[in-house]
Amino acid sequence: EPEVTQTPSHQVTQMGQEVILRCVPISNHLYFYWYRQILGQKVEFLVSFYNNEISEKSEIFDDQFSVERPDGSNFTLKIRSTKLEDSAMYFCASKGGEAFFGQGTRLTVV
Amino acid sequence: ELKVEQNPLFLSMQEGKNYTIYCNYSTTSDRLYWYRQDPGKSLESLFVLLSNGAVKQEGRLMASLDTKARLSTLHITAAVHDLSATYFCAVDMWNYGGATNKLIFGTGTLLAVQP
Repeated sequence: EPEVTQTPSHQVTQMGQEVILRCVPISNHLYFYWYRQILGQKVEFLVSFYNNEISEKSEIFDDQFSVERPDGSNFTLKIRSTKLEDSAMYFCASKGGEAFFGQGTRLTVV
Repeated sequence: ELKVEQNPLFLSMQEGKNYTIYCNYSTTSDRLYWYRQDPGKSLESLFVLLSNGAVKQEGRLMASLDTKARLSTLHITAAVHDLSATYFCAVDMWNYGGATNKLIFGTGTLLAVQP
């Protein structure tokens, strides 16, 4: 069965550092997403990506965040100058007809 | 802005009992997902409901979708402890031909099945 792969599974970073979260979507899917889940809370939409550009972003997705599809397969989320409140689980998803989610990256900012 | 509300937010039930989790949403959509999440884990896809009147069953769980009422239900039959988890519904903002194509998640229902 096709799957969405995320790396790393867990990332610890110091406040103010930049992190890059990586995702390999399902190969024939056209829509890609990043979601965030703060511990114990709901899953929040961050950004969607279609046709090599951002199609929609939420209020959370400010200038601190950026996404790229650098090589036609990987899909990355970059968080510049991390803050303590960025600590969360970050999920990547891709969608053809049905949406599939990756296993998540747990980001801990200390 | 689409709102997706689940109730109850927390459900404690005894093994062997039946119960229903409700998912209401505020705009037109004919696609809805149900996910299970164990603590610290990812989202496990349970059901994808793709049309009005869709009903799917897997083991002790059954999901249905009423797009006219903007309501989906997840029914638990004869609960067992292994079903303890958080359950999320997610409405697919499918916009044919458009770029708006995201899932909006409900608040989640924490299910605790007591022996």
